[in-house]
Amino acid sequence: AQSVTQPDIHITVSEGASLELRCNYSYGATPYLFWYVQSPGQGLQLLLKYFSGDTLVQGIKGFEAEFKRSQSSFNLRKPSVHWSDAAEYFCAVGTNYQLIWGAGTKLIIKP
Amino acid sequence: DAGVIQSPRHEVTEMGQEVTLRCKPISGHNSLFWYRQTMMRGLELLIYFNNNVPIDDSGMPEDRFSAKMPNASFSTLKIQPSEPRDSAVYFCASSGQGNSNQPQHFGDGTRLSIL
Repeated sequence: AQSVTQPDIHITVSEGASLELRCNYSYGATPYLFWYVQSPGQGLQLLLKYFSGDTLVQGIKGFEAEFKRSQSSFNLRKPSVHWSDAAEYFCAVGTNYQLIWGAGTKLIIKP
Repeated sequence: DAGVIQSPRHEVTEMGQEVTLRCKPISGHNSLFWYRQTMMRGLELLIYFNNNVPIDDSGMPEDRFSAKMPNASFSTLKIQPSEPRDSAVYFCASSGQGNSNQPQHFGDGTRLSIL
């Protein structure tokens, strides 16, 4: 069965430090992969997506993600976080018409 | 461009009352999704419409929940009668096609509190 795992419920990083949020998926075919961000009181906003081609994809707000088929992973990275990046981040895989969602990782920024 | 518009943003009502949540998808999008988000269960897909037709309502929790899409620019999610365990944030999302490679665009949600 298709599934998405985000192993970290919370991550705390200092402002200016680098960030990596982990995402592992289980899917039989070539996956369509997404990262979304949810700020408090807001809906989910698409950060980036992977369909095919270059395995390193660039998104908005300085985020990037790398698809690694051998590891079934699609980790999200940012070289230097800002306080405004504090939010919850969701990884998702597209199957048929719907998205299978991870449980989310809450990012906390230390000043 | 206007995104997905949901109303109301907040709703507080007493149990037993009827609740109606509204959604206007992005113009030109033909797929619409209703989600429920809670701390305990995360993000759950309730129902999916394609071209105004309900395709998958397997996530609708009970008969108390119903959803309609009378035209391409409007959808409602109704709870009747409401119960305290229905308290959650309800999101509407739309996408260009009902394909797995199309990103979904979310509204800001309706925060529902049933007392």
